[in-house]
Amino acid sequence: QKEVEQNSGPLSVPEGAIASLNCTYSDRGSQSFFWYRQYSGKSPELIMSIYSNGDKEDGRFTAQLNKASQYVSLLIRDSQPSDSATYLCAVKIRGSQGNLIFGKGTKLSVKP
Amino acid sequence: DTEVTQTPKHLVMGMTNKKSLKCEQHMGHRAMYWYKQKAKKPPELMFVYSYEKLSINESVPSRFSPECPNSSLLNLHLHALQPEDSALYLCASSHQTGYGTDTQYFGPGTRLTVL
Repeated sequence: QKEVEQNSGPLSVPEGAIASLNCTYSDRGSQSFFWYRQYSGKSPELIMSIYSNGDKEDGRFTAQLNKASQYVSLLIRDSQPSDSATYLCAVKIRGSQGNLIFGKGTKLSVKP
Repeated sequence: DTEVTQTPKHLVMGMTNKKSLKCEQHMGHRAMYWYKQKAKKPPELMFVYSYEKLSINESVPSRFSPECPNSSLLNLHLHALQPEDSALYLCASSHQTGYGTDTQYFGPGTRLTVL
């Protein structure tokens, strides 16, 4: 059973703080990792993708991947109320025909 | 440009109606997807088209019928739906399914209500 686990939250952080979102996955054949942001009633929006161990930074967002520990995280620096959304972790398995395995999502609330 | 468009934005239909959802992308992507998302749940994959051929059907009931007329268009034909089929229907596209770095981009979705 291929699983992607996320803490459902809600995760509440004050404005300006660092929000840390975590995701673990069960299949060691996982090769690509994605973070999507989804506002209530809207569709998922790609925030970050990461394929190699280490950190990848894009503006206020940093994705971290540790394949040995089967762990991927998303850090949001200087969190803003507009970052309040559900963050979906998605994993692609090597050899799959494009299937993304989604976690259940973490709801983030940034308080002004 | 990473735009996927979907029409209509909202759809209300009775259980005896026949309707279609449409999805379009002009990014040259060769893979297109239909997902269903219920409230507070992650998207669930329904169908995958690769190079205009159906490559994955996740055991979806036959009242949902996908169609890929060309590489830019994807339709989902609906017939005799049940109230529990009410959900947000998402279309996504990506370059090609076989590549590790292949990234899916989602359209805005169609909010479907079945009465």
